[in-house]
Amino acid sequence: EVQLVQSGAEVKKPGESLKISCKGSGFSFTNYWIAWVRQMPGKGLEWMGIIYPGDSDTKYSPSFQGQVTISADKSISAAYLQWSSLKASDTAMYYCARHGPPDITVIVDGAFDIWGQGTMITVSS
Amino acid sequence: SYELTQPPSVSVSPGQTANITCSGDKLGDKYVSWYQQKPGQSPVLVIFQDNKRPSGIPERFSGSNFGNTATLTISGTQALDEADYYCQAWDSRTRGVFGPGTEVTVL
Repeated sequence: EVQLVQSGAEVKKPGESLKISCKGSGFSFTNYWIAWVRQMPGKGLEWMGIIYPGDSDTKYSPSFQGQVTISADKSISAAYLQWSSLKASDTAMYYCARHGPPDITVIVDGAFDIWGQGTMITVSS
Repeated sequence: SYELTQPPSVSVSPGQTANITCSGDKLGDKYVSWYQQKPGQSPVLVIFQDNKRPSGIPERFSGSNFGNTATLTISGTQALDEADYYCQAWDSRTRGVFGPGTEVTVL
């Protein structure tokens, strides 16, 4: 089964660091772009950035550039989203999503065909 | 930065047709995707490349994209189609952009 499985919910304090994960299975993880998407409580979807695990080429939304770090470890089919100093405004659900479908290789031609279950991050003092 | 606009809400009677619009500058020159999200669930891709349906998506979902407006059409709307719908495109610097979302209510 093709799937993305994300790490569990986290409760953190402002100023703490955090790294969440997204592990792929059932497909060649190295050959697909993986995106991260934020959804604040009661709000819409926000595209944060995307990474190609094969060579770690990464693109960020201007809104998230410098605020988070996206990385990947192709040896274990995992992508990561990392914060060095969390803020209360980082409280949100975070989704990873696979760029696809499989026969589409150009980023602007594709969509997000497989989604993880989401990781809820709560930042509160 | 590139922006997409959607109506906040659309109401439709069961069995009728719902049209959800997504507008952006020269959007017709880009590929548009549409996602369905039900409460407490992850988004699901329902349309990609303007009008293609992924495997498993019912035929009642269709899409078009001309000029500055893309449209997701749900024909013969069912109660289970009640959800938030998001359009998505790519800007000129290969960054993804989502619309603000449209809440579809089946009355």
